[in-house]
Amino acid sequence: AAGVIQSPRHLIKEKRETATLKCYPIPRHDTVYWYQQGPGQDPQFLISFYEKMQSDKGSIPDRFSAQQFSDYHSELNMSSLELGDSALYFCASSPSGGRSNTEAFFGQGTRLTVV
Amino acid sequence: AQKVTQAQTEISVVEKEDVTLDCVYETRDTTYYLFWYKQPPSGELVFLIRRNSFDEQNEISGRYSWNFQKSTSSFNFTITASQVVDSAVYFCAFSLMNTGFQKLVFGTGTRLLVSP
Repeated sequence: AAGVIQSPRHLIKEKRETATLKCYPIPRHDTVYWYQQGPGQDPQFLISFYEKMQSDKGSIPDRFSAQQFSDYHSELNMSSLELGDSALYFCASSPSGGRSNTEAFFGQGTRLTVV
Repeated sequence: AQKVTQAQTEISVVEKEDVTLDCVYETRDTTYYLFWYKQPPSGELVFLIRRNSFDEQNEISGRYSWNFQKSTSSFNFTITASQVVDSAVYFCAFSLMNTGFQKLVFGTGTRLLVSP
């Protein structure tokens, strides 16, 4: 079965650079969630989208922005990167705006290293 | 606000031992979901189980079992006859039903080390 696809899997950037992470949800899933997991930390919710509109927002820095496109894939744009942005970034998707009786399916994550 | 507490930071056991991972949650809401995820060294989050607040029945899946007790706000996870492949970080997580969006609040995780 198709899963959530995240690209790239690994990314190395220098401080103050910009990074774009991509997430391709499971087919027919209309809701996407982004999480950030710092080293040795638990995943923290950043932002979610439903039908291309932002549906919820967590502890996402102003330097980060995200959007969901007409094909439901989502991109997380991170600017002015800082060392503290080094983390594993997960994307998850679910159907029916997350209202269906199912869990959110996670991608394998993108490991971002800022040097 | 919701909170998930996993008081055990790290647990070490020897293969074939039983081990229980504790999870305590805090919420004022009456409708919610509880989850367990496994994160092996490769880093992906592997879904293990979801329970809703209406169903306190315990569940068993192979060597895994879960004990949900609303009276103590706990959702504990037991691995019977542990194996080396069970070594991972295990996260307990929570989400509200009535928001309509499954935003997860994770606990800080318990690292389980199973040695041969």
